[in-house]
Amino acid sequence: DAGITQSPRHKVTETGTPVTLRCHQTENHRYMYWYRQDPGHGLRLIHYSYGVKDTDKGEVSDGYSVSRSKTEDFLLTLESATSSQTSVYFCAISESSITGELFFGEGSRLTVL
Amino acid sequence: KQEVTQIPAALSVPEGENLVLNCSFTDSAIYNLQWFRQDPGKGLTSLLLIQSSQREQTSGRLNASLDKSSGRSTLYIAASQPGDSATYLCAVHGATAGNKLTFGGGTRVLVKP
Repeated sequence: DAGITQSPRHKVTETGTPVTLRCHQTENHRYMYWYRQDPGHGLRLIHYSYGVKDTDKGEVSDGYSVSRSKTEDFLLTLESATSSQTSVYFCAISESSITGELFFGEGSRLTVL
Repeated sequence: KQEVTQIPAALSVPEGENLVLNCSFTDSAIYNLQWFRQDPGKGLTSLLLIQSSQREQTSGRLNASLDKSSGRSTLYIAASQPGDSATYLCAVHGATAGNKLTFGGGTRVLVKP
């Protein structure tokens, strides 16, 4: 299994509070991704990173920000959580964004009350 | 815009029967196609990656074919077992999605003993 650790695995928070999810990899892969998975919508890309301090938006980036200060860590921040951000969040990594195989973490289940 | 469809959404077969899972995509300009397995409450596990230049890829009881011209991929699982019960997702890497993955909705498989 690819060395990807997501934390926390489960979190319940209230509307308006900030939340940070962490993805840590031990594979030294260049590319890292944050997805959310929702019933009826499948997997949707939030943000991705193609190197330290290099990030870009995905298709559902509103309300989310990311940071990558080290190769191994990719943080996803919800500045002010809303109920629509209740979801399961997955981190993924790949060596190459175009032809590389994607490997996923176990997911972080976030509930915003 | 690339769209990926998996039909049927759910499938139930008796143990020992071969599984045939379908994936179709609208834009044939893809770099590769990846099949994943997802168990309830878990992350996605990569099963097979087929490059656009390949017609098929095999791993153990799994065989995936790719027909770019018709926009189709099929995942075959030989001699199904109850442990094969899971949701199977396909995803394509293509230029029309900014080189990022577009996922299908998945097929939920139940293999009955």
